[in-house]
Amino acid sequence: DAKTTQPNSMESNEEEPVHLPCNHSTISGTDYIHWYRQLPSQGPEYVIHGLTSNVNNRMASLAIAEDRKSSTLILHRATLRDAAVYYCILRENSGGSNYKLTFGKGTLLTVNP
Amino acid sequence: DARVTQTPRHKVTEMGQEVTMRCQPILGHNTVFWYRQTMMQGLELLAYFRNRAPLDDSGMPKDRFSAEMPDATLATLKIQPSEPRDSAVYFCASGLVKAGDYGYTFGSGTRLTVV
Repeated sequence: DAKTTQPNSMESNEEEPVHLPCNHSTISGTDYIHWYRQLPSQGPEYVIHGLTSNVNNRMASLAIAEDRKSSTLILHRATLRDAAVYYCILRENSGGSNYKLTFGKGTLLTVNP
Repeated sequence: DARVTQTPRHKVTEMGQEVTMRCQPILGHNTVFWYRQTMMQGLELLAYFRNRAPLDDSGMPKDRFSAEMPDATLATLKIQPSEPRDSAVYFCASGLVKAGDYGYTFGSGTRLTVV
């Protein structure tokens, strides 16, 4: 599986935007970029995904570099409830990979009141 | 919102006992995953199914773990015999894999403690 690199931890203040970076220099043409987060004592939760274009949904925005070797998850106004571990995952969109998700260590986001 | 339901939420058992964890995937989802999470190893993929057929269970210790989907509404993960090193949180996830790309939904997990 193609590898992603994320900072171990980041800190933000409540109601401020947060930009969580992810590097994936070995991404292939069929890899989708997925983001999940895991709140304390809960299972992972799907946040957003994209292929080439920037994506927005009710939870976050995903900005994808033109060469696709990096991406940024954007939380527009962080709340205390956004404190979690955020995982950036490349999911190969082909039958051979069976569409599985391989989790790394993720980024622990702390939100200060 | 539709949910993936896992039972039990917590399980404490003695070493050597059989443990069965259950998962009810979201109705209509065709893919089910089992993951295990520990502090040391993080989230590890154990096994997964598509349309109830096992696709890959290479992440599981074969001699003691088994995963099945007796029907579309139930996935099970069994450990026999259990060992203290199996203590972890076990997550089930389901999703609909077809043309296009979608996210998966995870359950709340079963926290297993083997003493």
